[in-house]
Amino acid sequence: DVKVTQSSRYLVKRTGEKVFLECVQDMDHENMFWYRQDPGLGLRLIYFSYDVKMKEKGDIPEGYSVSREKKERFSLILESASTNQTSMYLCASSLMGEKLFFGSGTQLSVL
Amino acid sequence: AQSVTQLGSHVSVSEGALVLLRCNYSSSVPPYLFWYVQYPNQGLQLLLKYTSAATLVKGINGFEAEFKKSETSFHLTKPSAHMSDAAEYFCAVSTNQAGTALIFGKGTTLSVSS
Repeated sequence: DVKVTQSSRYLVKRTGEKVFLECVQDMDHENMFWYRQDPGLGLRLIYFSYDVKMKEKGDIPEGYSVSREKKERFSLILESASTNQTSMYLCASSLMGEKLFFGSGTQLSVL
Repeated sequence: AQSVTQLGSHVSVSEGALVLLRCNYSSSVPPYLFWYVQYPNQGLQLLLKYTSAATLVKGINGFEAEFKKSETSFHLTKPSAHMSDAAEYFCAVSTNQAGTALIFGKGTTLSVSS
């Protein structure tokens, strides 16, 4: 089975901190995605990547950046965390032309 | 631009009753439509997808959805609810078959009572 692993299930950070959310997939997928999930808003795409060192902005990229130095790893970076970035963050991966596989999510609280 | 609207943020049914979760879409091009399910403390899983073949799509766990172009709808149904169906369900639309550029609805939480 495809495994998409997010490094932390729960994370608590302070306002202004730099935050790294890590995601690793073990099936050599080209595509990787970061979504945030908020009650009543569904999932919104932050960034995605179709290849190593390649990134594309999603619907809500402001306040975020990403890094994909290796094919299996896609990192989401909050340069200066703010309280409105408190959310559930979901990573996903897929082969080109195939369905998405999601990780279990990281619940980030920014205090 | 594409969008999906899920009618009802919360649906409650009794075990054994019909499940109906509503989704309407808006798309300027032929859409690809998806239903995902998220069980508590888990990531999303694909339930089923419509990719312009059959209009009635069967998915996992006894769920199915029917694409109705005239109604711009893609409602999810299951004839008989089970306690294990309690979860959050998301309808999504994409411009490509793989669903790599998904636009999600806001979700519907399904509760099942005994």
